[in-house]
Amino acid sequence: NAGVTQTPKFQVLKTGQSMTLQCAQDMNHEYMSWYRQDPGMGLRLIHYSVGAGITDQGEVPNGYNVSRSTTEDFPLRLLSAAPSQTSVYFCASSRGTGGQGNTIYFGEGSWLTVV
Amino acid sequence: AQSVTQLDSHVSVSEGTPVLLRCNYSSSYSPSLFWYVQHPNKGLQLLLKYTSAATLVKGINGFEAEFKKSETSFHLTKPSAHMSDAAEYFCVVSDPNNAGNMLTFGGGTRLMVKP
Repeated sequence: NAGVTQTPKFQVLKTGQSMTLQCAQDMNHEYMSWYRQDPGMGLRLIHYSVGAGITDQGEVPNGYNVSRSTTEDFPLRLLSAAPSQTSVYFCASSRGTGGQGNTIYFGEGSWLTVV
Repeated sequence: AQSVTQLDSHVSVSEGTPVLLRCNYSSSYSPSLFWYVQHPNKGLQLLLKYTSAATLVKGINGFEAEFKKSETSFHLTKPSAHMSDAAEYFCVVSDPNNAGNMLTFGGGTRLMVKP
C-alpha cells in the first residue's frame, strides 16, 4: 500500500537553484494537489490537477511550476529558489473533490530549506 | 468563500481526561468538513469527515466530531486522552462548488498530553 509517495524527504537548496519535488500515487486518482505548510498557517494550495494534462493555480502559485503528463505523477518545480520558499511541502491525491466528501490522501511531506 | 478558525493554538490535557478541540467554519454552501492529525515530522492522517449525512461523526482512535450548522462549528472530542494522541490537529473545510478541490485549513491545534 504505497498511497502517495513524495521524494526527496529533505532538501537544502541555495538561493537561485532550481529543483523538482516528485509525487506519485498508485490509487488511480484523478485529483492531485501540492500544498505548502508554514507555521501557524495550516496548509495552503499551490497548484492542483483534475486529470492528466490539466493543471491550474491555487492560492500561492508564484515561483512554482507543475505538469501532469500521467495520472500517477505530479511533480512540483521550483524555478529559482528563494528563502521564502523554505517550507514543508505536501502532495495530495483523491478520487474526486473534498467538497463532495472524497477523502484526500497526503504524502509524508518534503522538508525544503533555501539558504 | 470558505474559511476555518481553530480557536486554540495549544491545548494541554492529562492522560485519561477528555479532549476538546474547537473549530468554527464559514462557507457559502453546505461544505464537507474534515479533521486531520499530524504527528511530528509525519504526513496528515484523516481522523474523520462530515459529508452532510449524520451530524455526529465517529472517527478513528476514539475521536468524534459534531456538525452544528446553527453554530457553524465542528468541534473534535475524545472521552479519554492517550499519550499517543499528542500531535497537531487540523480542521479542514471544502465547499462542493470549488473547482480546484481547494481545502481550506485552520491554523492547527497542538495537543499536549501530560502523564
